[in-house]
Amino acid sequence: GAVVSQHPSRVICKSGTSVKIECRSLDFQATTMFWYRQFPKQSLMLMATSNEGSKATYEQGVEKDKFLINHASLTLSTLTVTSAHPEDSSFYICSAGAETQWDYGYTFGSGTRLTVV
Amino acid sequence: DAKTTQPPSMDCAEGRAANLPCNHSTISGNEYVYWYRQIHSQGPQYIIHGLKNNETNEMASLIITEDRKSSTLILPHATLRDTAVYYCIVRATGYSTLTFGKGTMLLVSP
Repeated sequence: GAVVSQHPSRVICKSGTSVKIECRSLDFQATTMFWYRQFPKQSLMLMATSNEGSKATYEQGVEKDKFLINHASLTLSTLTVTSAHPEDSSFYICSAGAETQWDYGYTFGSGTRLTVV
Repeated sequence: DAKTTQPPSMDCAEGRAANLPCNHSTISGNEYVYWYRQIHSQGPQYIIHGLKNNETNEMASLIITEDRKSSTLILPHATLRDTAVYYCIVRATGYSTLTFGKGTMLLVSP
């Protein structure tokens, strides 16, 4: 089955620094990748959608200059949290889909726990 | 996407069937019912999806009412590893996003 690898699984960074999270589709080419954020005891909230070679589309209220998304290839998308602050601490999850798999929804990565201190 | 309503939590004894309900009274004709689950601190996992016919796979069964306004996910023999938050999502096929509600926290106990 389709596998999506997300790294790192956990990261702790100092306030003001930037953190990059990688999302890779291992055995398929992901036409589209999605980035979600999940705060404790809450549901997943979609942050942005990225298509290979195009600029990401951000959901309302998500700062595109703070959450930089790059989808340079069909197997890799990255989310960079710039100038991180404690309120950015959250569980970040990516998902990926190929056009041939869209009917089955999307495959999710295992998530990245970001803690900003 | 149509909105779904699920109970916030359910309990189930290990080995028994877990029946998780979902209401989606505003579902459109081209929208499917999807079920995902999320085990603590992991990404969501696809379980099953259907349009109007009942569906079964190695993980679960999906029963959709004839009017398509509600559905039930059935885990026939729940195990402790099935403890998770279960999300019912209605979505058109093809390129469309998955919008997660609050889901149902299923606790399977010995």
